Parts: sequence; C-alpha cells; structure tokens
Amino acid sequence: DVKVTQSSRYLVKRTGEKVFLECVQDMDHENMFWYRQDPGLGLRLIYFSYDVKMKEKGDIPEGYSVSREKKERFSLILESASTNQTSMYLCASSWGGYSNQPQHFGDGTRLSIL
Amino acid sequence: AQTVTQSQPEMSVQEAETVTLSCTYDTSESDYYLFWYKQPPSRQMILVIRQEAYKQQNATENRFSVNFQKAAKSFSLKISDSQLGDAAMYFCAYKPQAGTALIFGKGTTLSVSS
Repeated sequence: DVKVTQSSRYLVKRTGEKVFLECVQDMDHENMFWYRQDPGLGLRLIYFSYDVKMKEKGDIPEGYSVSREKKERFSLILESASTNQTSMYLCASSWGGYSNQPQHFGDGTRLSIL
Repeated sequence: AQTVTQSQPEMSVQEAETVTLSCTYDTSESDYYLFWYKQPPSRQMILVIRQEAYKQQNATENRFSVNFQKAAKSFSLKISDSQLGDAAMYFCAYKPQAGTALIFGKGTTLSVSS
C-alpha cells in the first residue's frame, strides 16, 4: 500500500513564524501535492510538483512556497505565518503521466496560527 | 475553467438503506477522469471509486456505484446497504486527461443512523 506521511498531525505556531510542513511518500510517485481544507470550501490546491525541483502554483499559492529536493519529499513553507492560514493541510502523491491513477493522501496536519 | 459542484452539503441515511450523493461538473473536454473520495472523521482521505469518461459503463465497487451521465455532466455516487462506517465526508473530484491536479467539490457530509 502507498504510504504518505505528514510530519505532524497537529501544529501550533505564532504569527510571523516561518513554518515547515513535511510530507514523505514511499511509492516513487512523480507527482506530489499540497492542499488546504477549510469547512465549506472543500480542498483547494496550493502547489504541486511533477518532478524533483519542479513546481507549479495551484489555486491559492499566496503566502506559501514549496520545496522538493528529493523525489519522496515535498515540503510546504509558510514564509510568515498569519492567522488566516489556520487550516487543515493535506499532502498527496500520484503517478505521473496522463492517467486515471488516483492521488493518495496523508493523514493531514491541523495547523493553528495564534 | 473546470468546476465541480456538490449541491448537498449534508445527507443522512439509515443503516441498510440506499443513499445517492450528487455531483455535477463543468468542462469543455471530452476525455477526463472522475473520482469519489471518502474522508472519515479525523482519518485519512481514501479513494472510493473512479470513472473514465470514455467508458460508458458505470463503475462499481462492492456497495458503491456511480451513475455517470456524460451529456448531463453528472456523476452521482450510490451507496447501497449503508453501514455505520460509511459516515464520512465525501468529495467528488475531476481530473482532465492531460492534467495533473484534481479539482474537488466542496464535499457532502454523510451521517448514518442505526
């Protein structure tokens, strides 16, 4: 089975801090994704990566950056955390190419910015 | 831009009964993929079922089946013989054939009573 591991289930940080959310997958997937999930808004794509060092902006990239130095690891960075970034963050991975292969999700990180 | 609409924020069903969750999408493409994901409370999002747009036959996975109406751009999920473990938030998602990321609806929360 595919395993997508997010480094923290719960995280509390302060406004202005630089925050790192880490995600690791064990299936050699080319694609990795970061989503934000908020009540009533569903999942919104922040960034995705289709290869090492490659990234694409999603629908809501403002205030975030990402890093993918190794194929299995995809990091989401909040450069200067703000209270409106309090949310559930989901990481996912999938095979590359044009296919019907689904995305596999981690357990999520519930981030609170105080 | 493609959009996915789930018009039922909440649904409820009794054990052993059947329930149908609605999903419509907007696209000008002819080839694409559709997915239903399940997110139990405080647990990982998992794939329930998937459908390729070029296939006329509706996908089925045990108690879960879809009614895919391509012309109407409708992709509903039917859960038969509902169980307490089916209680979750269900997300409908669309993926263009030549795309990487999923586009999600806002979700439907399903409650199951005994």
